[in-house]
Parts: sequence; C-alpha cells; structure tokens
Amino acid sequence: EVQLLESGGALVQPGGSLGLSCAASGFTFNTYAMTWVRQAPGKGLEWVGSISGSGERTYYADSVKGRFTISRDNSKNTLYLQMSSLRAGDTAVYYCAKDRRTGWELLLNYWGQGTLVTVSS
Amino acid sequence: DTQMTQSPSSLSASVGDRVTITCRASQGINNYLAWYQQKPGRVPRLLIYNASTVQSGVPSRFTGSASGTEFTLSISCLQPEDVATYFCQKYNSAPLTFGGGTKVEIK
Repeated sequence: EVQLLESGGALVQPGGSLGLSCAASGFTFNTYAMTWVRQAPGKGLEWVGSISGSGERTYYADSVKGRFTISRDNSKNTLYLQMSSLRAGDTAVYYCAKDRRTGWELLLNYWGQGTLVTVSS
Repeated sequence: DTQMTQSPSSLSASVGDRVTITCRASQGINNYLAWYQQKPGRVPRLLIYNASTVQSGVPSRFTGSASGTEFTLSISCLQPEDVATYFCQKYNSAPLTFGGGTKVEIK
C-alpha cells in the first residue's frame, strides 16, 4: 500500500526558514518523480515543484524559485522541501504527491495528508 | 506558461442531475489533462487522466471529454457523496497548472 507522510509543518515568522519531509513507502521510490503541491486556506491547489526519481531534475513554480529547494534521499525513501525567506503568502497546507507511473509524468495519483505551514509574526 | 480557466467556480444541482464542468487551456496540451476531486477536509483524489481515461475505482458516472483546448468533466447522475471541489490540471510539461476549482453542492 502506497503511503506518503509529510512532517515538519509549523508556525514560522516572515523571513524565516523551514524544512518539510515526506516519508514514502509501498512503492519503489527512486523510480517515481515526486511533486509538492500547496493549498492556502480555503483556496485552490498550487504546484510548488517537482523532482525526478534520480533527483537530477527539478522544476519550480516562479512563486518559489530561488527560495525553495526540493531534494530527495532515495536511500531513506524521503522527499524534502526546504523553504527560506518565507512570506505570509506561503501559508498553506503542503502536500507531497507521487506520479502515477515511473519516469516523468507529473500526473499525481497518490497524495499525502499534508502538513500546515503558517507564516506569521 | 499555459493557463487553465475552469468554470463555473461553483454550482448547485439536485440529486440525479447531470453536472458539467469545463476547463479551457490557453494553448494546446495534447489531452494531458487530469481531473481531481477534493471532498471537504480531504486530500485530492485523481478521477480522470488523459482527458477521458477514468482512474481505477472511480464510479462510472464520472466521464471526461476533450475538444481541442476545451475539456469537460461530467457527472451523469449527481449523488450526495459527490459534494466536493473539482480541479483540472494540465501535465504535458512543467509548470503544472491547476484550474481554479469548481465547488459542487446539492440543491
């Protein structure tokens, strides 16, 4: 059974940094691209960025480029999102999601339960 | 970047009604279009991909279609458990883009 478990969400001050993790199980982690998606309270879904199975290729939304970094440790079956220079507009539930098939598809068929990041003073 | 315009933003229909949601891409995406359902307080669930392929386990009342850059999600016979927000998403290339969502309620 595929499981994705995010952790690390917290209250952080504007300008601060925070790291999120997503522990994966139930599939061959290093063969699937992974994606972070966020959802501000009461709002829609916003793509944050994606990383290939090997970790060699990453893409980011313009809204987070230069501030957020996606990485993965395939030996630990874990996906990461390192966030810096956080702003109030980054307040959201952050989901990690798995591609439907191996390779690079960016079609998300499993989602974690999400972790809440609140940026406020 | 390709923009995804979804309409309506909300709708209210009776149980048993046919419901249609539209998503329009600002440029061609070769039918790399998915639909997700997000029930209140829940995680998004993949319903349809490749514009019209129904994900395993999804009830047959959900269908998708495409005409050029216009995509449609239909619910043939609305059920109470279909109350949710529905999002389209293009995935032909990064950046991934979601539509703004359509909130479906029961009248």
